[in-house]
Amino acid sequence: QIQLQQSGPGLVKPSQTLSLTCAISGGSVSSNTVAWNWIRQSPSRGLEWLGRTYYRSKWYKDYAESVKSRITINPDTSNNQFSLLVSSVTPEDTAVYYCAKTADWLKGGLDVWGQGTTVTVSS
Amino acid sequence: DVHMTQSPSSVSASVGDRVTITCRASQGIDSWLAWYQQKPGRAPKLLIYDASRLQSGVPSRFSGSGSGTDFTLTISSLQPEDFATYSCQQAKTFPFSFGPGTKVDFK
Repeated sequence: QIQLQQSGPGLVKPSQTLSLTCAISGGSVSSNTVAWNWIRQSPSRGLEWLGRTYYRSKWYKDYAESVKSRITINPDTSNNQFSLLVSSVTPEDTAVYYCAKTADWLKGGLDVWGQGTTVTVSS
Repeated sequence: DVHMTQSPSSVSASVGDRVTITCRASQGIDSWLAWYQQKPGRAPKLLIYDASRLQSGVPSRFSGSGSGTDFTLTISSLQPEDFATYSCQQAKTFPFSFGPGTKVDFK
Protein backbone atom coordinates (compact mmCIF):
# COMPACT_ATOMS: atom_id res chain seq x y z
CA GLN A 1 0.00 0.00 0.00
CA ILE A 2 1.48 3.28 -1.13
CA GLN A 3 2.06 5.97 1.46
CA LEU A 4 3.32 9.51 0.95
CA GLN A 5 5.37 11.46 3.51
CA GLN A 6 5.93 15.16 2.99
CA SER A 7 8.83 17.23 4.26
CA GLY A 8 9.93 20.82 3.94
CA PRO A 9 9.93 24.16 5.74
CA GLY A 10 6.76 25.75 7.03
CA LEU A 11 7.99 29.33 6.70
CA VAL A 12 9.36 30.94 3.55
CA LYS A 13 10.33 34.58 3.03
CA PRO A 14 8.77 36.58 0.20
CA SER A 15 10.68 36.35 -3.12
CA GLN A 16 12.40 33.14 -2.02
CA THR A 17 11.80 29.61 -3.31
CA LEU A 18 9.47 27.18 -1.58
CA SER A 19 10.79 23.61 -1.66
CA LEU A 20 8.81 20.53 -0.59
CA THR A 21 9.52 16.83 -0.96
CA CYS A 22 7.16 13.87 -1.04
CA ALA A 23 8.72 10.50 -0.19
CA ILE A 24 7.01 7.42 -1.58
CA SER A 25 6.80 4.09 0.26
CA GLY A 26 5.13 0.95 -1.01
CA GLY A 27 5.51 1.95 -4.64
CA SER A 28 7.89 3.39 -7.22
CA VAL A 29 8.06 6.94 -8.51
CA SER A 30 8.88 5.36 -11.89
CA SER A 31 5.70 3.29 -12.05
CA ASN A 32 4.13 3.54 -15.50
CA THR A 33 0.54 3.46 -14.24
CA VAL A 34 0.51 6.31 -11.71
CA ALA A 35 1.00 10.07 -11.64
CA TRP A 36 2.37 12.19 -8.81
CA ASN A 37 0.61 15.46 -8.08
CA TRP A 38 0.91 18.59 -5.97
CA ILE A 39 -2.19 20.40 -4.73
CA ARG A 40 -2.55 23.31 -2.34
CA GLN A 41 -5.43 24.58 -0.25
CA SER A 42 -6.10 28.02 1.16
CA PRO A 43 -9.22 29.74 2.50
CA SER A 44 -9.20 32.21 -0.38
CA ARG A 45 -8.52 29.80 -3.27
CA GLY A 46 -9.86 26.48 -1.97
CA LEU A 47 -8.24 23.35 -3.40
CA GLU A 48 -5.93 24.20 -6.28
CA TRP A 49 -4.18 21.59 -8.43
CA LEU A 50 -0.64 22.76 -9.21
CA GLY A 51 0.83 20.07 -11.42
CA ARG A 52 2.01 16.52 -11.83
CA THR A 53 4.82 14.30 -13.06
CA TYR A 54 4.60 10.77 -14.38
CA TYR A 55 6.64 8.16 -16.23
CA ARG A 56 5.49 6.50 -19.45
CA SER A 57 8.76 5.36 -21.04
CA LYS A 58 9.93 8.90 -20.41
CA TRP A 59 9.11 11.57 -17.86
CA TYR A 60 6.23 13.97 -18.37
CA LYS A 61 5.25 17.07 -16.44
CA ASP A 62 2.04 19.13 -16.51
CA TYR A 63 1.55 22.43 -14.71
CA ALA A 64 -1.36 24.74 -14.01
CA GLU A 65 -1.06 27.85 -16.16
CA SER A 66 -1.63 30.08 -13.14
CA VAL A 67 1.71 29.02 -11.64
CA LYS A 68 3.51 27.52 -14.63
CA SER A 69 6.18 30.22 -14.81
CA ARG A 70 7.14 29.67 -11.17
CA ILE A 71 6.85 25.99 -10.39
CA THR A 72 8.90 22.86 -11.07
CA ILE A 73 7.98 19.30 -10.16
CA ASN A 74 10.87 16.86 -10.28
CA PRO A 75 11.00 13.11 -9.82
CA ASP A 76 13.94 11.74 -7.84
CA THR A 77 14.44 8.09 -8.74
CA SER A 78 17.47 7.68 -6.49
CA ASN A 79 15.41 8.43 -3.40
CA ASN A 80 12.00 7.33 -4.69
CA GLN A 81 10.41 10.72 -4.16
CA PHE A 82 9.26 13.80 -6.01
CA SER A 83 9.57 17.46 -5.21
CA LEU A 84 7.87 20.81 -5.68
CA LEU A 85 9.68 24.09 -6.17
CA VAL A 86 7.79 27.39 -6.25
CA SER A 87 9.95 30.42 -6.95
CA SER A 88 9.39 34.09 -6.17
CA VAL A 89 6.78 33.36 -3.52
CA THR A 90 4.39 35.99 -2.22
CA PRO A 91 1.93 35.91 0.69
CA GLU A 92 -0.64 34.59 -1.81
CA ASP A 93 1.32 31.33 -1.88
CA THR A 94 0.52 30.76 1.79
CA ALA A 95 -1.43 27.51 1.90
CA VAL A 96 -1.47 23.89 2.97
CA TYR A 97 0.44 21.95 0.33
CA TYR A 98 -0.37 18.31 -0.41
CA CYS A 99 1.27 15.70 -2.57
CA ALA A 100 -1.07 13.06 -3.95
CA LYS A 101 -1.12 10.07 -6.27
CA THR A 102 -3.51 9.03 -8.98
CA ALA A 103 -3.55 5.91 -11.12
CA ASP A 104 -4.64 5.46 -14.71
CA TRP A 105 -7.79 3.51 -13.79
CA LEU A 106 -8.96 6.23 -11.38
CA LYS A 107 -9.59 8.75 -14.19
CA GLY A 108 -7.87 11.52 -12.27
CA GLY A 109 -9.11 10.61 -8.81
CA LEU A 110 -6.42 11.20 -6.20
CA ASP A 111 -6.45 8.15 -3.95
CA VAL A 112 -3.39 8.60 -1.75
CA TRP A 113 -2.44 11.91 -0.13
CA GLY A 114 0.44 13.14 1.95
CA GLN A 115 -0.22 14.53 5.39
CA GLY A 116 -0.05 18.15 4.21
CA THR A 117 2.47 20.90 4.93
CA THR A 118 1.33 24.30 6.12
CA VAL A 119 3.49 26.88 4.36
CA THR A 120 3.43 30.51 5.42
CA VAL A 121 5.07 33.18 3.28
CA SER A 122 6.16 35.97 5.57
CA SER A 123 9.21 38.03 6.37
CA ASP B 1 -10.32 26.40 -17.67
CA VAL B 2 -13.19 24.28 -16.40
CA HIS B 3 -14.98 25.99 -13.54
CA MET B 4 -16.65 23.78 -10.96
CA THR B 5 -19.59 24.87 -8.83
CA GLN B 6 -21.37 23.03 -6.03
CA SER B 7 -24.71 23.40 -4.34
CA PRO B 8 -25.61 23.85 -1.65
CA SER B 9 -22.59 25.45 -0.01
CA SER B 10 -23.71 23.97 3.29
CA VAL B 11 -26.41 21.62 4.50
CA SER B 12 -27.65 20.88 7.98
CA ALA B 13 -28.75 17.30 8.48
CA SER B 14 -29.39 14.64 11.07
CA VAL B 15 -28.11 11.10 11.44
CA GLY B 16 -30.10 8.87 9.12
CA ASP B 17 -30.96 11.63 6.66
CA ARG B 18 -30.46 11.28 2.92
CA VAL B 19 -28.13 14.01 1.68
CA THR B 20 -27.64 15.03 -1.95
CA ILE B 21 -24.91 17.37 -3.19
CA THR B 22 -24.73 18.69 -6.73
CA CYS B 23 -21.65 19.58 -8.76
CA ARG B 24 -21.71 21.35 -12.10
CA ALA B 25 -18.89 21.79 -14.61
CA SER B 26 -18.69 24.84 -16.88
CA GLN B 27 -18.13 22.52 -19.85
CA GLY B 28 -18.57 18.85 -20.54
CA ILE B 29 -16.16 16.54 -18.75
CA ASP B 30 -17.71 13.17 -19.65
CA SER B 31 -17.31 11.12 -16.45
CA TRP B 32 -13.94 12.52 -15.40
CA LEU B 33 -15.20 13.50 -11.99
CA ALA B 34 -14.18 12.57 -8.47
CA TRP B 35 -15.71 13.26 -5.05
CA TYR B 36 -13.77 13.79 -1.83
CA GLN B 37 -14.56 14.00 1.86
CA GLN B 38 -12.43 16.26 4.03
CA LYS B 39 -12.39 16.73 7.78
CA PRO B 40 -10.67 19.65 9.53
CA GLY B 41 -6.90 19.36 9.57
CA ARG B 42 -6.92 16.30 7.32
CA ALA B 43 -6.19 15.64 3.67
CA PRO B 44 -9.11 14.96 1.35
CA LYS B 45 -10.23 11.35 1.04
CA LEU B 46 -11.31 9.92 -2.31
CA LEU B 47 -14.88 8.60 -2.21
CA ILE B 48 -15.95 8.32 -5.86
CA TYR B 49 -14.04 8.33 -9.14
CA ASP B 50 -15.16 8.12 -12.75
CA ALA B 51 -18.34 9.90 -11.56
CA SER B 52 -19.95 6.78 -10.11
CA ARG B 53 -17.31 4.24 -9.12
CA LEU B 54 -16.94 3.69 -5.39
CA GLN B 55 -13.36 3.82 -4.14
CA SER B 56 -12.22 0.69 -2.32
CA GLY B 57 -13.10 0.76 1.36
CA VAL B 58 -15.72 3.50 1.07
CA PRO B 59 -19.13 2.56 2.54
CA SER B 60 -21.88 1.77 0.07
CA ARG B 61 -24.11 4.53 1.49
CA PHE B 62 -22.06 6.85 -0.73
CA SER B 63 -22.97 6.95 -4.40
CA GLY B 64 -22.26 9.17 -7.36
CA SER B 65 -24.04 9.80 -10.63
CA GLY B 66 -23.96 12.05 -13.65
CA SER B 67 -22.07 12.69 -16.85
CA GLY B 68 -21.23 15.69 -18.97
CA THR B 69 -21.78 18.78 -16.83
CA ASP B 70 -24.07 17.73 -13.98
CA PHE B 71 -23.14 15.36 -11.18
CA THR B 72 -24.55 14.26 -7.85
CA LEU B 73 -23.12 12.77 -4.67
CA THR B 74 -25.66 11.04 -2.44
CA ILE B 75 -25.27 9.81 1.11
CA SER B 76 -28.21 7.45 1.59
CA SER B 77 -28.25 7.44 5.39
CA LEU B 78 -25.99 9.97 7.10
CA GLN B 79 -23.76 8.58 9.82
CA PRO B 80 -21.99 10.53 12.60
CA GLU B 81 -18.62 10.14 10.88
CA ASP B 82 -20.00 11.68 7.67
CA PHE B 83 -20.14 15.23 8.99
CA ALA B 84 -17.45 16.84 6.86
CA THR B 85 -16.87 18.94 3.76
CA TYR B 86 -17.40 17.33 0.34
CA SER B 87 -15.70 18.52 -2.84
CA CYS B 88 -15.85 17.52 -6.47
CA GLN B 89 -12.91 17.57 -8.88
CA GLN B 90 -12.72 17.34 -12.66
CA ALA B 91 -9.80 15.62 -14.38
CA LYS B 92 -10.85 15.92 -18.00
CA THR B 93 -9.01 19.13 -18.85
CA PHE B 94 -5.92 20.89 -17.50
CA PRO B 95 -5.76 22.43 -15.05
CA PHE B 96 -7.65 19.89 -13.00
CA SER B 97 -10.04 21.87 -10.84
CA PHE B 98 -12.04 21.45 -7.66
CA GLY B 99 -15.42 22.68 -6.56
CA PRO B 100 -15.64 25.07 -3.57
CA GLY B 101 -16.97 22.39 -1.24
CA THR B 102 -20.21 21.61 0.59
CA LYS B 103 -20.14 21.48 4.36
CA VAL B 104 -22.43 18.92 5.97
CA ASP B 105 -23.08 19.76 9.60
CA PHE B 106 -25.47 18.87 12.41
CA LYS B 107 -29.00 20.17 12.21
